[in-house]
Amino acid sequence: GAGVSQTPSNKVTEKGKYVELRCDPISGHTALYWYRQSLGQGPEFLIYFQGTGAADDSGLPNDRFFAVRPEGSVSTLKIQRTERGDSAVYLCASSLSGGGDEQFFGPGTRLTVL
Amino acid sequence: AQSVSQHNHHVILSEAASLELGCNYSYGGTVNLFWYVQYPGQHLQLLLKYFSGDPLVKGIKGFEAEFIKSKFSFNLRKPSVQWSDTAEYFCASNHDYKLSFGAGTTVTVRA
Repeated sequence: GAGVSQTPSNKVTEKGKYVELRCDPISGHTALYWYRQSLGQGPEFLIYFQGTGAADDSGLPNDRFFAVRPEGSVSTLKIQRTERGDSAVYLCASSLSGGGDEQFFGPGTRLTVL
Repeated sequence: AQSVSQHNHHVILSEAASLELGCNYSYGGTVNLFWYVQYPGQHLQLLLKYFSGDPLVKGIKGFEAEFIKSKFSFNLRKPSVQWSDTAEYFCASNHDYKLSFGAGTTVTVRA
């Protein structure tokens, strides 16, 4: 596709459930990022992939959050035992090669934990 | 650690008015600076960026920003806004790969 795509666009779940959020980056982009945007705030960094490996996961809030990118393209953000405080818009971005390259953002997945 | 602060939470303007949004960053080393815009119902898009060179950067849709190193600032300007500039604007910095964003400024332009 022409841009970064994310599915689902909206996800409503109950507290304690497991969710997976998917990101499909721009073809050929080796760098992929996940950010989280809470209401009234700017996006906050979660994790950065260079190829298949997580180069920096320092932004993941706790061990309930995990992300993979097994083939260096599509990435999945996984959240276990969801809590109400996890409710936010989860944004994915990709860039050509990392560093200071422009990051292209997807539309986000709005997660609501009831 | 980097941080970015935006001075205004919500700005309301009339069409043809001039716009200036303040942004300050905290990192003292080499830093790249960005302004992103999010129009209603759309995803974040890059307006302009500064990596090095001329501190006055021109972006899309008539926007420009000035990097003032001594003030750690990267303010966004547009001389004459249009109704279609209604959006949320985010300033961001990075010095490696991860972006640090400000809280955003909502700009409402009245027709």
